[in-house]
Amino acid sequence: AQTVTQSQPEMSVQEAETVTLSCTYDTSESDYYLFWYKQPPSRQMILVIRQEAYKQQNATENRFSVNFQKAAKSFSLKISDSQLGDAAMYFCAYRSFMEYGNKLVFGAGTILRVKS
Amino acid sequence: GAVVSQHPSRVICKSGTSVKIECRSLDFQATTMFWYRQFPKQSLMLMATSNEGSKATYEQGVEKDKFLINHASLTLSTLTVTSAHPEDSSFYICSGLSYNEQFFGPGTRLTVL
Repeated sequence: AQTVTQSQPEMSVQEAETVTLSCTYDTSESDYYLFWYKQPPSRQMILVIRQEAYKQQNATENRFSVNFQKAAKSFSLKISDSQLGDAAMYFCAYRSFMEYGNKLVFGAGTILRVKS
Repeated sequence: GAVVSQHPSRVICKSGTSVKIECRSLDFQATTMFWYRQFPKQSLMLMATSNEGSKATYEQGVEKDKFLINHASLTLSTLTVTSAHPEDSSFYICSGLSYNEQFFGPGTRLTVL
């Protein structure tokens, strides 16, 4: 079974600075998807970024980018120019590529605090 | 992105009563919906996968007689917590599947007194 590990329970960053959240996963599959979700205090889950394992290029969405290291099974999220609105709990998630999959396996989450 | 709603957003009930939570996909048809449970400052735990017109598939350790799931239409799935007890108090989140991506509802906070 796949597992996702987020080793940082909490992180802090100064406004306008850069922070990196770590995520590692374990799988025997070669094709899969990886996601970062944001859960602000409202508790609404928001997709931040996704990465297909077969793509070597790291995904980027505005201030959010990932460092995907397939061999190391690592998938970190970098947030540049941090804003107060980035404060939230961030979850790394894995999904099998296979059709019957579609289930998301979540990590434990990292609480990100942004200081003004 | 696609929109999923949940109703109610908060519910308080007495121990022993049953509570129904609705999950609706507002602008897409969701053949598959998922139900999660989340404790404070913890991750989402998948409870069951709900498929329209068929029985739900429950994750190991989740009591199917306790958490009844019905997915009668392509836009509505319901979770009924039967004979609720204080330990069932939690945050329940649903998601709908569209083009292989899950879109999440805003969640329902259940408090059982």
